[in-house]
Parts: sequence; structure tokens; C-alpha cells
Amino acid sequence: ETGVTQSPTHLIKTRGQQVTLRCSSQSGHNTVSWYQQALGQGPQFIFQYYREEENGRGNFPPRFSGLQFPNYSSELNVNALELDDSALYLCASTWDRGTEAFFGQGTRLTVV
Amino acid sequence: AQSVTQLDSHVSVSEGTPVLLRCNYSSSYSPSLFWYVQHPNKGLQLLLKYTSAATLVKGINGFEAEFKKSETSFHLTKPSAHMSDAAEYFCVVILNAGKSTFGDGTTLTVKP
Repeated sequence: ETGVTQSPTHLIKTRGQQVTLRCSSQSGHNTVSWYQQALGQGPQFIFQYYREEENGRGNFPPRFSGLQFPNYSSELNVNALELDDSALYLCASTWDRGTEAFFGQGTRLTVV
Repeated sequence: AQSVTQLDSHVSVSEGTPVLLRCNYSSSYSPSLFWYVQHPNKGLQLLLKYTSAATLVKGINGFEAEFKKSETSFHLTKPSAHMSDAAEYFCVVILNAGKSTFGDGTTLTVKP
């Protein structure tokens, strides 16, 4: 176990709806990154938060947004859900934007 | 720009025989390179990392990888496969802590 926890573990939403996924980082870690892993593919970097500020973003549209809280936990919000948003969403935490990331178990999102 | 190519989508070996999972990278700068393993319904686990120290990196569970700058490669090896090694393996390049790029993964099957 890495100490990174994500909730919920599974979620089913309807196209057009909005979803919020949550991540609690490992104790002492102030940096959180989010990834989307579609079936049969490698994780794709969505964005990273460091000390409550966005610190880098991948090729995802603005309807993917995030937050990091003072306790360094984080949320990923996705608006106007599309069928292609169905994927495993992974959260990873590091210390001070360090490169060794610890991953949570992920949230499996299904959009119908 | 940075990219990662895992040369084999599937590798099948017999238990007790060597494992070779191939990874080539492209990066404008000196990269940090990682191998992660993902077992079914589990999160990603760090196997090993290269961050410009020794070119031969030893990881967990008997895995190691060699960084070859001239070949832009970071292949993962293990002398003797175990049934528990069956999983998905990802090669990752991180140019800066703000963005990491995953390969598409290699599925390792271990036959008894």
C-alpha cells in the first residue's frame, strides 16, 4: 500500500453529467498528479498540483479541472462527460514535485 | 518534446527464463526514467528509476535496467521469471516534475 487513497473506487455517470474524483496524498507529500488510463493504454498525464497551484498540464480540454486543498488532498472535476471519458483515473503524490511518484488504486469511471 | 516507445506490446516467457522488456525514449534533455508495474486491479508500483547516477539500475523483485544514452534505451531485465511477475509494465520518462509520459505498456505472460 502506498498511502495514496482515491474515492470512489467505481462510478457510473451519464453522458453530459459532471463528476468529482478525490485523492488523499501520502503523508508529507505536497504534490499531486492526475492521470487518465483508457483500457489497454498507458496512463496519460492530465495535470499536476503543487502547493495548491497547477504546475503543468497535459493535452486535456478545459472541462477537466482540478483543485488542491491546504492539506494537499486533491479533486479532479470533469464537466460535460463524454463516452470517451470512461477510463481508470489515477492519482499520484510526490514530495516537492519530486520524480518518484506513489500511485493510488484509481477510480474506474464509466460513462453511459 | 519527450516520448516513450515500448517495443513489444506482449512478451511471453517460461518460468525460470530471462525477461527482457524493451523501452526507447526521446527527450531533448537529460531525462529521468522509470519502470512501473501494474497488476490486475491494482495501482502502479515503482520498480526502479534512473536519475543520472549509475547507468545500471537495480530495482525490486530482481529487476534491473540499463540506461544507454547512445541507444536512447532503458530496457528492463530479470534473470529468471517468476509466475508472480505476470503483469503490465510501463516505461516512463519525466523531463520535469510537471509532466510525465508513459509508454503504452508491455503485457508480460509467464508460462509454467
